[in-house]
Amino acid sequence: SAVISQKPSRDICQRGTSLTIQCQVDSQVTMMFWYRQQPGQSLTLIATANQGSEATYESGFVIDKFPISRPNLTFSTLTVSNMSPEDSSIYLCSVRTGEGSPLHFGNGTRLTVT
Amino acid sequence: GQNIDQPTEMTATEGAIVQINCTYQTSGFNGLFWYQQHAGEAPTFLSYNVLDGLEEKGRFSSFLSRSKGYSYLLLKELQMKDSASYLCAVADSNYQLIWGAGTKLIIKP
Repeated sequence: SAVISQKPSRDICQRGTSLTIQCQVDSQVTMMFWYRQQPGQSLTLIATANQGSEATYESGFVIDKFPISRPNLTFSTLTVSNMSPEDSSIYLCSVRTGEGSPLHFGNGTRLTVT
Repeated sequence: GQNIDQPTEMTATEGAIVQINCTYQTSGFNGLFWYQQHAGEAPTFLSYNVLDGLEEKGRFSSFLSRSKGYSYLLLKELQMKDSASYLCAVADSNYQLIWGAGTKLIIKP
């Protein structure tokens, strides 16, 4: 399976600031996704990162708050903008090599907003 | 709507066997996945079922019945390191993954 490097692994940020999370994959993948996992909860899909075009956002998530870049098939970034304490969560980059294949995750970014 | 149900928490004893159930109602079905997630870590893939029956992988097995909308993950010879959350996820007709809330498994010595 692909090796996924995500950074930073954790950060503590102040309210109103922004944080950009990077995701690097060691091979080209067509499908790349960003998830959020709030404490004690399951995974929530934020968006699908599309190479060379705008990301596809799920209900409840908007581009102004969570801008995503995907310049090529091995790299993506997620920015959490104008943060509030409610954004404190684990953010996970994930990839799939095909529709019937499993999802593999990066190690996640644990974000705390104070 | 789409729904996946699994127990919130289970407790088992080291060396024993435990079965974690997952029932689902989704718009279409293109496979069911089980993931393990240790506290503070990312989920890791355990198994994939798309046809009815049992898939065995060492101490872990996963079963699927599509007609019943039901799956289970069976863990044998439990070890303390198996203490984790176990997530069930179903790929719907668009291959989008629908996630269960996870089952926290506590292993006691």
